[in-house]
Amino acid sequence: EAGVAQSPRYKIIEKRQSVAFWCNPISGHATLYWYQQILGQGPKLLIQFQNNGVVDDSQLPKDRFSAERLKGVDSTLKIQPAKLEDSAVYLCASSLMRAGMDQYFGPGTRLLVL
Amino acid sequence: AQSVTQPDIHITVSEGASLELRCNYSYGATPYLFWYVQSPGQGLQLLLKYFSGDTLVQGIKGFEAEFKRSQSSFNLRKPSVHWSDAAEYFCAVGSGNYGGATNKLIFGTGTLLAVQP
Repeated sequence: EAGVAQSPRYKIIEKRQSVAFWCNPISGHATLYWYQQILGQGPKLLIQFQNNGVVDDSQLPKDRFSAERLKGVDSTLKIQPAKLEDSAVYLCASSLMRAGMDQYFGPGTRLLVL
Repeated sequence: AQSVTQPDIHITVSEGASLELRCNYSYGATPYLFWYVQSPGQGLQLLLKYFSGDTLVQGIKGFEAEFKRSQSSFNLRKPSVHWSDAAEYFCAVGSGNYGGATNKLIFGTGTLLAVQP
């Protein structure tokens, strides 16, 4: 079974530029999560989708971050404009609804904002 | 509010020695607890989980964890550490109902494990 795929793996941009990350969850997983992991900290949930609907985006900085999950499969997370403090690893995870919280994580995208 | 504390930022053990990583949680109801491992450049891998039943939980790679409600703890243990166990370990508590829609994970800050030969 293929795991959660993310791209790109690494991205370096300058502040005020925009960037987008892509995630392809495990086939059949209805729930998709985006986490932000700042160096030295644990992952923090940014947004959770159930199929193509948003379940929780309470910690998403909506003035600069946006995410979508068209057709309930792939998802894109965008930052526009980026700030220095957005430097982090962005992790995507997915789960089966009936399995509850068994979340499977992708390898992450490491973002450096200069 | 729910929270997870991992008091040890960095631990070094000798190969073959036993290991215990500490985790304390704050949660109002019965917690759903998890341990994840993250190797450099990799995503998180689930080691084990607790949501009910036997308080001693067995996981992959020879790890186990014990849920102690009286101490609000869920410590991770391994009797004999291998060099390949060097990684960062995260404890997490599940917020919401197991199987429910709002089942986000709240992570601790992690413990970095180094293994000496």
